[in-house]
Amino acid sequence: EDQVTQSPEALRLQEGESSSLNCSYTVSGLRGLFWYRQDPGKGPEFLFTLYSAGEEKEKERLKATLTKKESFLHITAPKPEDSATYLCAVRNQAGTALIFGKGTTLSVSS
Amino acid sequence: DGGITQSPKYLFRKEGQNVTLSCEQNLNHDAMYWYRQDPGQGLRLIYYSQIVNDFQKGDIAEGYSVSREKKESFPLTVTSAQKNPTAFYLCATQGRSNQPQHFGDGTRLSIL
Repeated sequence: EDQVTQSPEALRLQEGESSSLNCSYTVSGLRGLFWYRQDPGKGPEFLFTLYSAGEEKEKERLKATLTKKESFLHITAPKPEDSATYLCAVRNQAGTALIFGKGTTLSVSS
Repeated sequence: DGGITQSPKYLFRKEGQNVTLSCEQNLNHDAMYWYRQDPGQGLRLIYYSQIVNDFQKGDIAEGYSVSREKKESFPLTVTSAQKNPTAFYLCATQGRSNQPQHFGDGTRLSIL
């Protein structure tokens, strides 16, 4: 069964304190792993797509990496505006839909 | 301005009432999706459509119905058979098969 597990559920950081969010996945034949950011009351905003182990993508203070079993979203020197829920998803075996984890809610205080 | 428009932003349903959530897109994307999001839960797929006049059930289709008469529009009806409809409903679209999905800003449905 295709499955995505994110940890931790919640993470509190001080401004400038770097950390990582984890996304473990089980799917036969990865057809894409996706990271989204979701602000309260809004729809998810696309951040990155990763396709193969060893691949890395960067955007400002965020860097996503991928292994054969998990992905990490590294946040370097976070700012309060990085506070949001970060969602991870994989495309299902049939390629017809995304399977989402429950998300990690990040709070960054100044 | 290209994008995905969901309306209304907030919706209230009375007992026994059907309500319809609107999703319109001008991205010229073939595929459209409806997800439900509950607190502390991941997004769960209700229905999806990969082409006009065709749609498929997702994991939690019971109590919901959809239509896809135009490429731009994919309305979702929450019927009275859905006993726990209170949730945040998200519409998404996708262009080519290797592209990510993009989301609207959601409709929050509550029971009166």
